[in-house]
Formats: sequence, C-alpha cells, structure tokens
Amino acid sequence: AQSVTQLDSHVSVSEGTPVLLRCNYSSSYSPSLFWYVQHPNKGLQLLLKYTSAATLVKGINGFEAEFKKSETSFHLTKPSAHMSDAAEYFCVVSEGDTGNQFYFGTGTSLTVIP
Amino acid sequence: DADVTQTPRNRITKTGKRIMLECSQTKGHDRMYWYRQDPGLGLRLIYYSFDVKDINKGEISDGYSVSRQAQAKFSLSLESAIPNQTALYFCATSDYGRTTQYFGPGTRLLVL
Repeated sequence: AQSVTQLDSHVSVSEGTPVLLRCNYSSSYSPSLFWYVQHPNKGLQLLLKYTSAATLVKGINGFEAEFKKSETSFHLTKPSAHMSDAAEYFCVVSEGDTGNQFYFGTGTSLTVIP
Repeated sequence: DADVTQTPRNRITKTGKRIMLECSQTKGHDRMYWYRQDPGLGLRLIYYSFDVKDINKGEISDGYSVSRQAQAKFSLSLESAIPNQTALYFCATSDYGRTTQYFGPGTRLLVL
C-alpha cells in the first residue's frame, strides 16, 4: 500500500534563505513521486516529478527534489526563498508503471518572512 | 483555454439540496478523478474513472455519486448535501502509466 507523510505541517523561512520541505513515502512498487504547489485561492500546479530516471529532479521556479530509495524520502529544496514561494505544498506518490491512483500528503504550508 | 475546467467555481447551497459539479477536459486523457480538499487533510479521493465504462470508489465516496458521460466529462453529484460536505473540490485527469495528474481550478462549495 502507498502512503505519504509530510513531516512538517508549517515551515517558516526568511526571504533569501534555503527551503526544505520533507516528504517520506511508503510504496510496495517502484513509485512515481510528485510535488505540487497551491497558491492561495488557486488550483494545484506541478512543481516536479520523479518517474525512475535521474534521482535528482529539477523543477520550476528553482525547486528540486532528490529521490532516496534507502531513506524512502523525496524532500523538496530551494537554495533561496522568494516571497512568491509562500504557498501550500503537496507531496504525492503513485504506484509503479500503472499509476492507478495518486496518494497525497496532508500538505506543508510555507511562509516566507521578508 | 484551460485544459481542465470545472463548473461552477463557487456554489452555496442548503442542506438537503441536490447539487452537481461538472468537469470537462481537453487533454484526451482516459482517467479522471474527483477529490475534496479540507484544511489540514490534503486532498482525498472521492471517485475515479479509468474510462467511460469504469467507475471506482475512492477513500471517501459516501454521500457522493458520479457520472462519466463521455471521455471528456466527469460529473460529481451530492444527492442530499450536508454541511460537512463544505469543501474545495478538484477534478483531475491523467494518462495511463507514470504520468502527471492535471488539475482543474477547483469548485468551492458551501453547504448551509
């Protein structure tokens, strides 16, 4: 069975400092992993995805994530936070090659302090 | 034009009323999904459909029903709305395999 745990419900960083949003997953199959961002009163936008190619995945807006199978983690990072990064972030896992269902974490709310 | 559209975008209704939320997509995907989002709970799957003749219950299907009228259309109905169905509802689509889900803009529903 698949599940996703986002280890922090809220993260607060100062503008210009690094961002780390943590995600652990469990999966019986070779998973696909995704990070989505949701800005206030907006829909979900794909930041990046891992689908069994390179373990370090680069996404939009300077974000990247590293798939670590031994740690069952897929943490999202960004070297320098911008005010526009303030949003809700969701880690998502789907199973193997069929991608039958997508399992969402409960979300991490990122606050960026000026 | 947006690839995944949802109507209405906002809706206020009263307890006991029947309401339908509609989703249309132009991505040509076979798979469509309905989720609800509640603060602190992330997105939870209500129903999903892998093609026109395939409908499956998700994690929280009680109180909801769906209809897949065509490949491009997937509707969610609340037969008798109740206040705890107040939430933000998202439709999504995906292709087969290791692919991304694409989300609509959401429908904000308030049940009084």
